[in-house]
Amino acid sequence: EVQLVESGGGLVQPGGSLRLSCTASGFTFSSFSMKWVRQAPGKGLEWVSHISSSGSTIYYADSVKGRFTISRDNAKNSLYLQMNSLRAEDTAVYYCARDGWDYWGQGTLVTVSS
Amino acid sequence: QAVLTQPSSLSASPGASASLTCTLRSDINVGTYRIYWFQQKPGSPPQYLLSYKSDSDKQQGSGVPSRFSGSKDASANAGILLISGLQSEDEADYYCMVWHSSAYVFGTGTKVTVL
Repeated sequence: EVQLVESGGGLVQPGGSLRLSCTASGFTFSSFSMKWVRQAPGKGLEWVSHISSSGSTIYYADSVKGRFTISRDNAKNSLYLQMNSLRAEDTAVYYCARDGWDYWGQGTLVTVSS
Repeated sequence: QAVLTQPSSLSASPGASASLTCTLRSDINVGTYRIYWFQQKPGSPPQYLLSYKSDSDKQQGSGVPSRFSGSKDASANAGILLISGLQSEDEADYYCMVWHSSAYVFGTGTKVTVL
């Protein structure tokens, strides 16, 4: 069974940092590109970042470019999102999703507030 | 102007058909894009429904009923998600998405209410 489990969310002050993780199981993680998508409370979906299966190709939304870094460790079946210089508008549930968009995690809540 | 625009809400009766539109910005030609559709219910992650580029290039999500189908209206520069035989369980938010300029872009979402 394919599973994606996010972790690392929490409350952080503006300007702070947080590292999200997404642990994958039930499929060959190294064969799939992965994405992060977020959803602010009561709002729509916003794509955040994409990383290819090898990690060689990466894309970011303009809203996070220069502040967030996506990475992966295929040996650990894990996807990461390093978030720096956090702002109130980064408050959201962050989901990881597999290429093909057919599997999503349950999400982890990031709250940026003083 | 947003890349993808969706009506904020739509109401329909059980058993009816609902046509959800996803209008692309006027400088973007719907014919060249694959349109993805997702369903999201409160408290749950989005679920992939299908993607549609053309009648010969479309994909249904695993386990997604055939009463969910995709199409395009070139004259309106829009992607369409058709839900046939609406059921109460179809009440949810629906989002379209495209890959545009090296970024995935989601539509604004349509809340479907089954009366």
